[in-house]
Amino acid sequence: AQSVTQLDSQVPVFEEAPVELRCNYSSSVSVYLFWYVQYPNQGLQLLLKYLSGSTLVESINGFEAEFNKSQTSFHLRKPSVHISDTAEYFCAVSPNQAGTALIFGKGTTLSVSS
Amino acid sequence: DAGVTQSPTHLIKTRGQQVTLRCSPISGHKSVSWYQQVLGQGPQFIFQYYEKEERGRGNFPDRFSARQFPNYSSELNVNALLLGDSALYLCASSLAKWQGNTEAFFGQGTRLTVV
Repeated sequence: AQSVTQLDSQVPVFEEAPVELRCNYSSSVSVYLFWYVQYPNQGLQLLLKYLSGSTLVESINGFEAEFNKSQTSFHLRKPSVHISDTAEYFCAVSPNQAGTALIFGKGTTLSVSS
Repeated sequence: DAGVTQSPTHLIKTRGQQVTLRCSPISGHKSVSWYQQVLGQGPQFIFQYYEKEERGRGNFPDRFSARQFPNYSSELNVNALLLGDSALYLCASSLAKWQGNTEAFFGQGTRLTVV
């Protein structure tokens, strides 16, 4: 079975500060890794994904995440956050198996204040 | 192109009633999945359909059922509603047979409240 643990339920930061949202996973098979963002009263939007290749993946809005296989982690980072980054962030894994789907963590609420 | 569309956006039902939620995938996407997101939790997988066949099922009771139509749209049915079924129900579509290695595009969800 697979599971995802997001280590912080809430992360308050000031604008222009760096932030790290932590994600660890457990799986007996290889997995693909994702970060999704959810703004209030909206569905989920894919932020970035790791399928293969370089372990460091980047999004178009300045977020990056690094896949660490030995530590089974996929932490999300941004060097300087904006007010508009305030949202719920979900880490998800998908086992490399037919018939499976996304398994989400419980989410981390990122609150950016001025 | 339109994204994933879900209807209705909000719904209030009474315990014991039945509900049907609808989803239209992105044009060209043949895979549709349903997720339940209870307040304060991450989404939980309910069903996945590809080419009108069930390809995956999460740990939900038989009161939950779904189907996919020839145009790849999908319906999620929940019978004998319980208070605990109150949640945001999300539909996601993708190109691949399963969502393992491809991007899933989510709709805005249907907010179901059971009273």
